[in-house]
Amino acid sequence: ILNVEQSPQSLHVQEGDSTNFTCSFPSSNFYALHWYRWETAKSPEALFVMTLNGDEKKKGRISATLNTKEGYSYLYIKGSQPEDSATYLCAIIQGAQKLVFGQGTRLTINP
Amino acid sequence: DGGITQSPKYLFRKEGQNVTLSCEQNLNHDAMYWYRQDPGQGLRLIYYSQIVNDFQKGDIAEGYSVSREKKESFPLTVTSAQKNPTAFYLCASSISLAGGLYEQYFGPGTRLTVT
Repeated sequence: ILNVEQSPQSLHVQEGDSTNFTCSFPSSNFYALHWYRWETAKSPEALFVMTLNGDEKKKGRISATLNTKEGYSYLYIKGSQPEDSATYLCAIIQGAQKLVFGQGTRLTINP
Repeated sequence: DGGITQSPKYLFRKEGQNVTLSCEQNLNHDAMYWYRQDPGQGLRLIYYSQIVNDFQKGDIAEGYSVSREKKESFPLTVTSAQKNPTAFYLCASSISLAGGLYEQYFGPGTRLTVT
């Protein structure tokens, strides 16, 4: 079983500040990495699917980078807003259509 | 509306009873999954099915059973053999993207409490 680690486990950020957090994974046999956002009382929603070393994806104020050689991905949020409060999950593909998830980073934006 | 439904949202059972969690999708996805979440842990895969009438064990299948008789439905039974059944259960389905990739869509989850 692959080991996917996310840090920090929780994070409190002041509204308007920018923040980032990390997903670490084994760099061998890498295929793809997924980022999901999971808001309270809702279903997890896909943010990004990343495959290539050096890949950078962006959706509004949220962006992500990928380093497959050293085995990490960063998720950045610029100018945090209260609606960004959620748990952010990363996952690595293991085998056919199987994802291995990290434990998530719980982000709280303080107004 | 297309999506994944899970029912009920909250479920309470007595120890020793089997309980079945429902998962239905109208997205026409071939693959479906069951995950379990416990506090401080990531989603852990219980069972998955890539096609009707076929399913495979995930990482923590012991004490669980599934069936996939219809494309739309993937019910999960938590049996009395599951040592710690109290948890939050998420169902998902997936669609294939280009390049052999896929994206998973999740239901709202069922919180099961066994006392």
